Amino acid sequence: ETGVTQTPRHLVMGMTNKKSLKCEQHLGHNAMYWYKQSAKKPLELMFVYNFKEQTENNSVPSRFSPECPNSSHLFLHLHTLQPEDSALYLCASSQDRRLSYTFGSGTRLTVV
Amino acid sequence: GIQVEQSPPDLILQEGANSTLRCNFSDSVNNLQWFHQNPWGQLINLFYIPSGTKQNGRLSATTVATERYSLLYISSSQTTDSGVYFCAVSSGGSYIPTFGRGTSLIVHP
Repeated sequence: ETGVTQTPRHLVMGMTNKKSLKCEQHLGHNAMYWYKQSAKKPLELMFVYNFKEQTENNSVPSRFSPECPNSSHLFLHLHTLQPEDSALYLCASSQDRRLSYTFGSGTRLTVV
Repeated sequence: GIQVEQSPPDLILQEGANSTLRCNFSDSVNNLQWFHQNPWGQLINLFYIPSGTKQNGRLSATTVATERYSLLYISSSQTTDSGVYFCAVSSGGSYIPTFGRGTSLIVHP
């Protein structure tokens, strides 16, 4: 495995479900990020973790709950989502917040 | 926060053509990256280029930080170049990049 791996690739969930997105990076980076990409909108930063500590929470609703148990793994726990939360969720990592990002392939989420 | 504008928003090319994509930004930057998002959603980092010029095969990029713009050149385009090209910049004390809306490129065979 190389790079940044996200699972699952696709997810369909009901508004009352609870699910989790997983991101794993094999690059030895110490910063990890969650981004949301909706149709016709720029990428939106959701959360930043630096050395496992959350350093940014970009006014994300509490129905999205991140978890970073170590510098290689990042989760996004989802519960009671809304249809407008349907989007591509991208994970990224970098060696330092100042340096270039490596993105995963994303999880395409559909809330029904 | 910093504003990022990319142009053109859409671009259609015939295979073999050259193109230039532009990214304008509203403040001095400490980080600028160009990404390519393929049709499957994967974002690939093309260049980390807060200033100067870099080349990688058929792609090259130039950032003129004093004039607040960056250019991405694609030469001899191929169908696999299709996708969306994003510019992302950060400024001041924040190293979190702000993404532009992207340039959607379609290369026809």
